Amino acid sequence: SQQGEEDPQALSIQEGENATMNCSYKTSINNLQWYRQNSGRGLVHLILIRSNEREKHSGRLRVTLDTSKKSSSLLITASRAADTASYFCATVTTTSGTYKYIFGTGTRLKVLA
Amino acid sequence: EAQVTQNPRYLITVTGKKLTVTCSQNMNHEYMSWYRQDPGLGLRQIYYSMNVEVTDKGDVPEGYKVSRKEKRNFPLILESPSPNQTSLYFCASSFSASYGYTFGSGTRLTVV
Repeated sequence: SQQGEEDPQALSIQEGENATMNCSYKTSINNLQWYRQNSGRGLVHLILIRSNEREKHSGRLRVTLDTSKKSSSLLITASRAADTASYFCATVTTTSGTYKYIFGTGTRLKVLA
Repeated sequence: EAQVTQNPRYLITVTGKKLTVTCSQNMNHEYMSWYRQDPGLGLRQIYYSMNVEVTDKGDVPEGYKVSRKEKRNFPLILESPSPNQTSLYFCASSFSASYGYTFGSGTRLTVV
């Protein structure tokens, strides 16, 4: 079953605008991660936020986590054409000493030059 | 360069012909995993391994086998491939399950 569900499924913006993607999940998590995938290529890890953190920054990326609402958002500021990609959230949960990653279905971002 | 190497990159095979997709990482990661990616379904975990000789099923293990005899290698075996296993496959590794994954470049498999 898909734990992380991204919203919107697709997003098209102009270069220089900000892009916001959301991820909702269903169970308690250890951490939540965001990845980028360029067309058919391997996913690239962008940022990880732990369950006891509320906000994290990395360059033009800002991630928030609201564990009470079981949701996270990824903000890309001052977007560039090179940011065009699919973005996935992944939740990590712990069960009986093992960890489980579950990826969402992704948001397709298109940045128009 | 720290990386996860998958081979082959593309593979077309016939139903029932056993195949192996190799995966190797050079980062001394303990945690490795296989995923398949299908349109509209996101990434689904096939198998994962917490360490050498420790493997466990993910969400969609049917029709697949794995082994972890060495820390660096985690091959995916399809004993009798079927057309519904046509997909894009990714191997990934991590220092531990609480750190981000490093993904391989993917293997696009077509079973006819």
